[in-house]
Amino acid sequence: EAQVTQNPRYLITVTGKKLTVTCSQNMNHEYMSWYRQDPGLGLRQIYYSMNVEVTDKGDVPEGYKVSRKEKRNFPLILESPSPNQTSLYFCASSLLPTSGRSEQYFGPGTRLTVT
Amino acid sequence: AQSVTQLGSHVSVSEGALVLLRCNYSSSVPPYLFWYVQYPNQGLQLLLKYTSAATLVKGINGFEAEFKKSETSFHLTKPSAHMSDAAEYFCAVSDGRNTPLVFGKGTRLSVIA
Repeated sequence: EAQVTQNPRYLITVTGKKLTVTCSQNMNHEYMSWYRQDPGLGLRQIYYSMNVEVTDKGDVPEGYKVSRKEKRNFPLILESPSPNQTSLYFCASSLLPTSGRSEQYFGPGTRLTVT
Repeated sequence: AQSVTQLGSHVSVSEGALVLLRCNYSSSVPPYLFWYVQYPNQGLQLLLKYTSAATLVKGINGFEAEFKKSETSFHLTKPSAHMSDAAEYFCAVSDGRNTPLVFGKGTRLSVIA
């Protein structure tokens, strides 16, 4: 089944404790992206990647890191999480390297709480 | 730069009534426009997309949207609401280049029996 998977689905952590949220897609997609969803703000892009070893900042990159060492994986790293990073996070992928021309497939989401 | 405005953060309709969710966009180039739906505790899935072909776009689950360049609008409609349509709906715009897809803030649709 074609899908984007994220782990973990739920995570409660404390301020400053490094964490990684994994994202994997099995569709051989070029483009992958991370978003955060907050009430009243919609989805905001954190980072995106148009291919292996190519990453770029989205609208809200501060406090996050990403890497794209393999085509299928795009982990999101929070080196020192803070409470304002409490949010619902989505990974997405699309076939073409340009985000706007093809459908994006979304993972199920990771709900992160930082205390 | 592109932007999207969704009018109404919450829309409530009766089962069987017309659904109309409004989306206006701003783009300096011909846009690519999308509607996504998010059911509770799930990720987003594509309802439909406009990519400069027909101005009336049909999507899944009986939804359709009409691209109106003169009004810079891409409103989503469904003739008859069903309880299963209750979800959050997001309009998104892209210039089709290497720039991020821009999402609206979403409209929550409630369907009343």
